[in-house]
Amino acid sequence: EIVLTQSPGTLSLSPGERATLSCRAGQSVGSNYLAWYQQKPGQAPRLLIYGASTRATGIPDRFSGSGSGTDFTLTISRLEPEDFAVYYCQQYGSSPYTFGQGTKLEIK
Amino acid sequence: QVQLVQSGAEVKKPGSSVKVSCKASGGTFSRYPISWVRQDPGQGLEWMGRIIPMVGIPDYAQKFQGRVTITADKSTSTAYMELSSLRSEDTAVFYCARDYGGNWNWGQGTLVTVSS
Repeated sequence: EIVLTQSPGTLSLSPGERATLSCRAGQSVGSNYLAWYQQKPGQAPRLLIYGASTRATGIPDRFSGSGSGTDFTLTISRLEPEDFAVYYCQQYGSSPYTFGQGTKLEIK
Repeated sequence: QVQLVQSGAEVKKPGSSVKVSCKASGGTFSRYPISWVRQDPGQGLEWMGRIIPMVGIPDYAQKFQGRVTITADKSTSTAYMELSSLRSEDTAVFYCARDYGGNWNWGQGTLVTVSS
């Protein structure tokens, strides 16, 4: 099983700032099948990025994903008020699929 | 755009089973895997297993092996997740999600409450 470790656990920033979220895998993620999700209370996860760097349909270009192998990053270039939420990474390259524990992005 | 619509909230007694449905509309149902993901209250996301409807053979996370059954009915474009021997710790929201080449499309979630 591929363990995903996200850091930091909580990130406190202000609107307009840049956010950098990290996801480290315990072993290489096959074909860079790594996704990022945003989740707000009471809502289903919203896919932001898949294949490590491909934005999902309708996702603003302030969201970008990068990385390969075992180290992946989600960057939000300029935070908007609606971006404050919990973010999860997920690997779907090998079964069992696994999720990171989440990073909470909160308003400073 | 495929839409996944899940069945409504359930309240179950300990020791019983629950069966949650996930109906797909739009797109090709049989070809793409459908996964089930669990989220305990205030906690993270946990993958339970998946099925490719065309193949019909499920793949389960070891943690749920023996207690979860995932099936798919191609005739109605509906996937199912049944969890048995329910205990209070199984109170959670269960999501289905369709994997379209990495582009996962999610259902709205189904809250299952286990209480005596």
